[in-house]
Amino acid sequence: GEDVEQSLFLSVREGDSSVINCTYTDSSSTYLYWYKQEPGAGLQLLTYIFSNMDMKQDQRLTVLLNKKDKHLSLRIADTQTGDSAIYFCAQGGGSYIPTFGRGTSLIVHP
Amino acid sequence: NAGVMQNPRHLVRRRGQEARLRCSPMKGHSHVYWYRQLPEEGLKFMVYLQKENIIDESGMPKERFSAEFPKEGPSILRIQQVVRGDSAAYFCASSVDRNYGYTFGSGTRLTVV
Repeated sequence: GEDVEQSLFLSVREGDSSVINCTYTDSSSTYLYWYKQEPGAGLQLLTYIFSNMDMKQDQRLTVLLNKKDKHLSLRIADTQTGDSAIYFCAQGGGSYIPTFGRGTSLIVHP
Repeated sequence: NAGVMQNPRHLVRRRGQEARLRCSPMKGHSHVYWYRQLPEEGLKFMVYLQKENIIDESGMPKERFSAEFPKEGPSILRIQQVVRGDSAAYFCASSVDRNYGYTFGSGTRLTVV
C-alpha cells in the first residue's frame, strides 16, 4: 500500500472548520508536513510538526499527531473560499526522502 | 531571495523527442529533489541530488530518464524519446539540508502529443 494515505475529497461550508486526516507508515519520520497546492501551482509548505510533538497551532491551523496510531490531522478553523486547494500530507526527515500522500481536495462552498 | 525556479512552465513535445526540464534551487540550497505528479495522483519521488552527485534515484524509471546537478548551473531532468505516458507535472524541490525545509518550484507541465 501507499506510505502515506489520505482521503481524496472534503467538502465544507464557508466558516466551518475543516479537518483533513492522514496516516503514515514510517515511525522513524522526524518531521511530518502539510503542503497546499492551488490549481496550476507548486506546493506551498503550510506547516510541519516534529515527531516528538503532539500538537502545533499556527493561527487558523492546528496540527495533531498521534504517533501510536501514526495519524496526522490538519484542522483549518473558519474555513474560507481561498482555502480551497489540494492538501498534501508528507513524512520525512532524517535519512528519508519525503514521501507524499495523494492529496485531499478541499472544496469550500458558501 | 528568489524561490525555486523551474522552466519552462509548460513544455509540449512530440512522441520520440527529448524533454529537458530545468530547476534552479533557492540560494544556499544544495539538495534537490525531483517529483512527478500524474493527473489525480500524488507526488511520486524520482531522484535526489546534491551538487555533482546523485544520492538516491530509486524512483527514476530505468530507461530514458536521467538527472544531473552540475557544480555550476541548474539541475536538469532529461527525458529521452518521450511517450504519452510521460505527460505529467514535474516538480523540483530544494533544501538547505535533508532534514527540513523543502521548498517547491511551480513545476513544469509536460504534454506529449
